Amino acid sequence: QQQVKQSPQSLIVQKGGISIINCAYENTAFDYFPWYQQFPGKGPALLIAIRPDVSEKKEGRFTISFNKSAKQFSLHIMDSQPGDSATYFCAAGRGGSNYKLTFGKGTLLTVNP
Amino acid sequence: EAGVVQSPRYKIIEKKQPVAFWCNPISGHNTLYWYLQNLGQGPELLIRYENEEAVDDSQLPKDRFSAERLKGVDSTLKIQPAELGDSAVYLCASSPRAGEAYEQYFGPGTRLTVT
Repeated sequence: QQQVKQSPQSLIVQKGGISIINCAYENTAFDYFPWYQQFPGKGPALLIAIRPDVSEKKEGRFTISFNKSAKQFSLHIMDSQPGDSATYFCAAGRGGSNYKLTFGKGTLLTVNP
Repeated sequence: EAGVVQSPRYKIIEKKQPVAFWCNPISGHNTLYWYLQNLGQGPELLIRYENEEAVDDSQLPKDRFSAERLKGVDSTLKIQPAELGDSAVYLCASSPRAGEAYEQYFGPGTRLTVT
C-alpha cells in the first residue's frame, strides 16, 4: 500500500517558471510533511517542511501548500533555475516513539535555461 | 563539520556472495538509519538505531540482511547471500535524536550491483 502518492513523475520547466509538485497521503496519523531534494550521486537533503497546523510555509523561492481536509500538499518552486534540476521527494512522518518517514516515489525536475 | 560518510560508494558482486556497507554518522548523532533506495523510488527505511539499540527493524529482511552498531557510533549493514533484486542504493542517515524536530542527514549512499 503506497501511503504517499507523488505526481508528476517528471517535470520540465523553463528558467524563471514555476515548478509544482503534488503529494497526497492516506494516513491521518501523519503530522510532519518534509520535502527532500536529491542530486545525482548524493543523498537526499531536507529542503522545507510543514506541520498540519498551518496551510502554507515559505522559505525563499520554495513554498509548501498544505490542505488537511484533502490530505494533499504541494511544493512550489518560484523563479525556477537550472540549478534546481534534481529529484524531489515528498515525505510524511508520524511522530511518537516509533517515528519514521514514508517517502513518495519522487519527481525528476528539469529546468531548461 | 563532516557529513555522513559511507563506504564503499560502489560495489559490484555476483549473486550469492556476501557484501557489507559501512556508515560513519555525524559526530554526536545518536540516531542512525539505514534506507534502501531502488531506482526511481523514494528511500525506504530498513532499520533505525538509537545508540546501540535497533529500535525499528521491522522492514529489515532478516533472513539475509543484518546490521550492527557497535559502541553506538559506526554501523555496518550486511547482506548474505546477495540476490539480483538487492541491486539498489543503500543510504545511511543520522540525526541528533529521533523525531520530526530533528533533521535526518543522509550520506551519499552505496550503489550495489548484483550480477
